[in-house]
Amino acid sequence: QSVLTQSPSVSAAPGQKVTISCSGTSFNIGSNYVSWYQQLPGTVPKLLIHDNNERPSGIPDRFSGSKSGTSATLGITGLQTGDEADYYCGTWDSSLNAGVFGTGTKVTVL
Amino acid sequence: EVQLVESGGGLVQPGGSLRLSCAASGFTFSDYWMTWVRQAPGKGLEWVANVRQDGREKRYMASAKGRFTISRDNTKNSLYLQMNSLRAEDTAVYHCARVDWIDEGINYWGQGTLVSVSS
Repeated sequence: QSVLTQSPSVSAAPGQKVTISCSGTSFNIGSNYVSWYQQLPGTVPKLLIHDNNERPSGIPDRFSGSKSGTSATLGITGLQTGDEADYYCGTWDSSLNAGVFGTGTKVTVL
Repeated sequence: EVQLVESGGGLVQPGGSLRLSCAASGFTFSDYWMTWVRQAPGKGLEWVANVRQDGREKRYMASAKGRFTISRDNTKNSLYLQMNSLRAEDTAVYHCARVDWIDEGINYWGQGTLVSVSS
């Protein structure tokens, strides 16, 4: 059972913007850094965002991250068909003393 | 090039054991926390365990405590996961991963090895 809650799915037309939310508690998102991952069908996850809002080298600035309180958000602008994937948030939970992932959000490009 | 290659998965009966291995290359293995993440068929990601650079600190998901043991051999650039008392719900692809960023920010993932627990 995932500790972090995400909406199951979101969709938009090419070129539009989508936001994916990740809800947690003071023990995880509220006190630790959040990462975001993209998992294309049949592939391993790929890191999009670390430390709440930092992009690794090679990740386009269409992807952005933010955090407020016990929630985090991933934004994708200029949506492309290649962005169709599952997206997961992740962080550390200081109460569980364990890593935690979100439930995942499926992005569909209409 | 960073490479993480898992092995050791397979079909095992409930209550059985398996030892997963992960061979790391392309980086200084002893510099990084390492972690195991699993994904059941058609399901989401689930963090399993991690181990500090020197192997002395280890953390586990609740359902793995007492059943799984994570370890590493820095002389062999290898990560391990000993899994005992396996249950059907442990069926998943197990990924070895390198933690690059604070609070389990994972930058590199292995392709995974499939563990199937069934009678």
